[in-house]
Amino acid sequence: ETGVTQSPTHLIKTRGQQVTLRCSSQSGHNTVSWYQQALGQGPQFIFQYYREEENGRGNFPPRFSGLQFPNYSSELNVNALELDDSALYLCASSLEGFTDTQYFGPGTRLTVL
Amino acid sequence: DAKTTQPTSMDCAEGRAANLPCNHSTISGNEYVYWYRQIHSQGPQYIIHGLKNNETNEMASLIITEDRKSSTLILPHATLRDTAVYYCIVKGYQLIWGAGTKLIIKP
Repeated sequence: ETGVTQSPTHLIKTRGQQVTLRCSSQSGHNTVSWYQQALGQGPQFIFQYYREEENGRGNFPPRFSGLQFPNYSSELNVNALELDDSALYLCASSLEGFTDTQYFGPGTRLTVL
Repeated sequence: DAKTTQPTSMDCAEGRAANLPCNHSTISGNEYVYWYRQIHSQGPQYIIHGLKNNETNEMASLIITEDRKSSTLILPHATLRDTAVYYCIVKGYQLIWGAGTKLIIKP
């Protein structure tokens, strides 16, 4: 059984650019959640995808968008990057919706210059 | 805002039990208590969760008070590799994370 994987590991972008981060869920899991973690803080919920539909969203602007594919992998897209978007982006998968335990990937470190 | 309160940091000697407290006085009846840990900017690792009964797995034990307003995570024989930030989370609609407890295991 493979765990949650994320790509790329690290990424450097400049302000105003767009970025796409990718996540493959654990085998058998149909739900993917995305989190942003600034240095020294706990993760903050961005949104969740369940069976290819957005199933909940945190307090993030519309320039943060996502997608889930039929194989339940997911993408996080961020447009018009700002310096404050520099963070560790975490993806977590769970078996079914909000009720089940979330298992996290290693994260993608995004630096915006 | 996070629904839990944890000490900012704790030390524990290697080989001893590490007891990490958490207060969650506003927890609702159907909300679970979850514990995760995060080792130096890696992805958080799931440890254990519970509703009202005490729970034990291969990593840790979780003791929840009868009124469910607080809980304690116990690592029975701490090793240096247990040094991490430990997060106690009350899980409702989503996971809302606080700042966690930085646990340092000393040789």
